[in-house]
Amino acid sequence: GAGVSQSPSNKVTEKGKDVELRCDPISGHTALYWYRQRLGQGLEFLIYFQGNSAPDKSGLPSDRFSAERTGESVSTLTIQRTQQEDSAVYLCASSLAGTGLYGYTFGSGTRLTVV
Amino acid sequence: KNEVEQSPQNLTAQEGEFITINCSYSVGISALHWLQQHPGGGIVSLFMLSSGKKKHGRLIATINIQEKHSSLHITASHPRDSAVYICAVGFGNEKLTFGTGTRLTIIP
Repeated sequence: GAGVSQSPSNKVTEKGKDVELRCDPISGHTALYWYRQRLGQGLEFLIYFQGNSAPDKSGLPSDRFSAERTGESVSTLTIQRTQQEDSAVYLCASSLAGTGLYGYTFGSGTRLTVV
Repeated sequence: KNEVEQSPQNLTAQEGEFITINCSYSVGISALHWLQQHPGGGIVSLFMLSSGKKKHGRLIATINIQEKHSSLHITASHPRDSAVYICAVGFGNEKLTFGTGTRLTIIP
């Protein structure tokens, strides 16, 4: 597609439920990143996929968070047993290659509210 | 871990003023990014630079690798420039480390 597509754009869920967020990167972009931005705070790194390499999961805040990506296509971020502190905007970005030398294209984000 | 600091945190200016936002980082990088975030959360990548200076329209970004410092300038500022401007740095294939952002408000 022309840009990075994320869905849903907004999600309200009850505490304790599982949620799945989707990111569709730009075709051909081998690198895909998930970031989180809680209200009033800066962006935090969550997880990074580069091609078929093992993902860098060092930013995932707890074992309730997991993400998958099949090849160089769609990625899903799953949050199990959601907590109120999980409320945030979850942003996905993709890049031509994960070398730090190419620009990033960000999606519009998924605003998650846990009530 | 790279520490990224931006200044000022908040900036209010009159339309037409020249704007400067600064970013400093603590560890050598391969690239620095300037991002723009409008209300509602959408993020747009403005610049990626590893040396020197880049210009796009009324926006200019400079970087001094030796001093680990970058500036984003906006000439002839306009109310539509009102947004949060975020500096982010990366090294190699590592994920970006973000500054906390500068909230810019341009008053007509």
